[in-house]
Amino acid sequence: SQTIHQWPATLVQPVGSPLSLECTVEGTSNPNLYWYRQAAGRGLQLLFYSVGIGQISSEVPQNLSASRPQDRQFILSSKKLLLSDSGFYLCAGNHGRSLYNEQFFGPGTRLTVL
Amino acid sequence: GQQLNQSPQSMFIQEGEDVSMNCTSSSIFNTWLWYKQDPGEGPVLLIALYKAGELTSNGRLTAQFGITRKDSFLNISASIPSDVGIYFCAGQLPGNQFYFGTGTSLTVIP
Repeated sequence: SQTIHQWPATLVQPVGSPLSLECTVEGTSNPNLYWYRQAAGRGLQLLFYSVGIGQISSEVPQNLSASRPQDRQFILSSKKLLLSDSGFYLCAGNHGRSLYNEQFFGPGTRLTVL
Repeated sequence: GQQLNQSPQSMFIQEGEDVSMNCTSSSIFNTWLWYKQDPGEGPVLLIALYKAGELTSNGRLTAQFGITRKDSFLNISASIPSDVGIYFCAGQLPGNQFYFGTGTSLTVIP
């Protein structure tokens, strides 16, 4: 079974500072990978998804970007954080080619921008 | 993005009672998923549904994929304190994008 790892678990950053959150996948190859943001413990907003190395689709325009340098690595970045970037960031993965392709989630990163 | 309407928004029930929550959409989904999330953790998959009309159980949990493919419900029987958390539905359109409901917060009173 696949496992999604995320780090760091928590992060406090000042406004205007850069951001890099990392997600790695274990136990599968060529997964689809997703970044979500969750505000106030409710409602997951899809930010980015990737079907392969170097392939990124953005769901909403924002201050963030994503990259997939390796098959099992997905990175969420920002050059300058805004207060509104605070939230709980979740990475998820699934098998694009499998009939049974439910998503599995990582433990999340709590980001606080001050 | 797609809108999934999940209800109720919150529930306060006595231990031992049954729980029912549902999701509806204006779009037809290929897959319906139900997740549970504990505070500060990632959602954990409870049940996955892949066919219209499918009824699937996982212990005390039962979920169904609506015939119209635009809705799904989740039932929890004989609730216990550890059922506390936020429950999310998620629908998958043709392709790889998933869309989530707004969540149902469940509180179980011992």
